[in-house]
Amino acid sequence: RKEVEQDPGPFNVPEGATVAFNCTYSNSASQSFFWYRQDCRKEPKLLMSVYSSGNEDGRFTAQLNRASQYISLLIRDSKLSDSATYLCVVTASGGYNKLIFGAGTRLAVHP
Amino acid sequence: GAGVSQSPSNKVTEKGKDVELRCDPISGHTALYWYRQSLGQGLEFLIYFQGNSAPDKSGLPSDRFSAERTGGSVSTLTIQRTQQEDSAVYLCASSSGTGKGKNIQYFGAGTRLSVL
Repeated sequence: RKEVEQDPGPFNVPEGATVAFNCTYSNSASQSFFWYRQDCRKEPKLLMSVYSSGNEDGRFTAQLNRASQYISLLIRDSKLSDSATYLCVVTASGGYNKLIFGAGTRLAVHP
Repeated sequence: GAGVSQSPSNKVTEKGKDVELRCDPISGHTALYWYRQSLGQGLEFLIYFQGNSAPDKSGLPSDRFSAERTGGSVSTLTIQRTQQEDSAVYLCASSSGTGKGKNIQYFGAGTRLSVL
């Protein structure tokens, strides 16, 4: 079983749609959680950290459920520029340094 | 300020040759990380440095891989006797520290290694 599992997609949505991605992680000792975005042939860029209380940044909302070991990302009012691969990321057991990446969920927003 | 800088951006080498990949972290960042991303795969942790020490090198795939960091800044990842399965994008990241709240990692653009 992979340490971080994501639906690979692709999710094909029209502009303006709301789309949600989910992710599960296997290690209950993970301490930090993130969503990164990766454009084709580019480096990953931090989208947002994820907190137990849930957090929002503009059109993006992230949620963490520690009991279920589940992380979600909601994108509202999708833009063409949101097309990318979204990576669910957790830190390895007991620390804050080594990142474990999911394989990513691909999003394609079309006009 | 400048981000994480990696060189070369592309490297083509022949099987059996040694290669060196360089990473220059964000100024003032004490922690530095190396990852590898093979085609169509997720990122795979290789090693991280806190200062010049490497507390976790558990992801290095074999003894052909080594890394060092000097002066708490630039790091070099060396792959000896390259094999075709070493072909991947090698990504470097840095963070301001290693504790909670300081562990946000910022990535360089990577070195795309092709072993023929």
